[in-house]
Amino acid sequence: EPEVTQTPSHQVTQMGQEVILRCVPISNHLYFYWYRQILGQKVEFLVSFYNNEISEKSEIFDDQFSVERPDGSNFTLKIRSTKLEDSAMYFCASRDLSNYGYTFGSGTRLTVV
Amino acid sequence: DQQVKQNSPSLSVQEGRISILNCDYTNSMFDYFLWYKKYPAEGPTFLISISSIKDKNEDGRFTVFLNKSAKHLSLHIVPSQPGDSAVYFCAASDRGSTLGRLYFGRGTQLTVWP
Repeated sequence: EPEVTQTPSHQVTQMGQEVILRCVPISNHLYFYWYRQILGQKVEFLVSFYNNEISEKSEIFDDQFSVERPDGSNFTLKIRSTKLEDSAMYFCASRDLSNYGYTFGSGTRLTVV
Repeated sequence: DQQVKQNSPSLSVQEGRISILNCDYTNSMFDYFLWYKKYPAEGPTFLISISSIKDKNEDGRFTVFLNKSAKHLSLHIVPSQPGDSAVYFCAASDRGSTLGRLYFGRGTQLTVWP
């Protein structure tokens, strides 16, 4: 069964450093998303991406965040200057045109120290 | 942002019995509802969904019921199995205005014991 692949599975970074979280969505999917889950809290929407541009972003997705689809397969989330409160599980997801049941990756646990 | 609420953080059920997980929402523009299952250290896995034009959708042991007037949906698992033990998230979407952005509840930890 096709999968959404995320790397790394765990990233530890110092506060103020830049991190890039990587995702390979399912190949024929057109819509891409990033969500995050802070420990003990609910899964929260960050951003949606379609046709090489951001479609929607939440209030969490401020100027420190950016997304990119640099080639035909990768979808990345960059945090320019990490803060302690950015520590969370970050999930990438994708879906095709007709199916609203996203496929999520297994997540990247980001720990900011 | 409390547009989707799961008021029971946990549920414990004996194997073979029915598990009923509940979810409430406040946004009347939501027209599509999904249930996801999540194991530790994994991403959410899609289970079942329902459109607002239906009031019931069934897939094997899983049935989702939607009561639009009450803004309430529930997931029934019959019979429950130990492998069903996981966190279950309810999610909702307004397909008309967003690119499928999902609003999640906080999840319910289901434990199925032998």
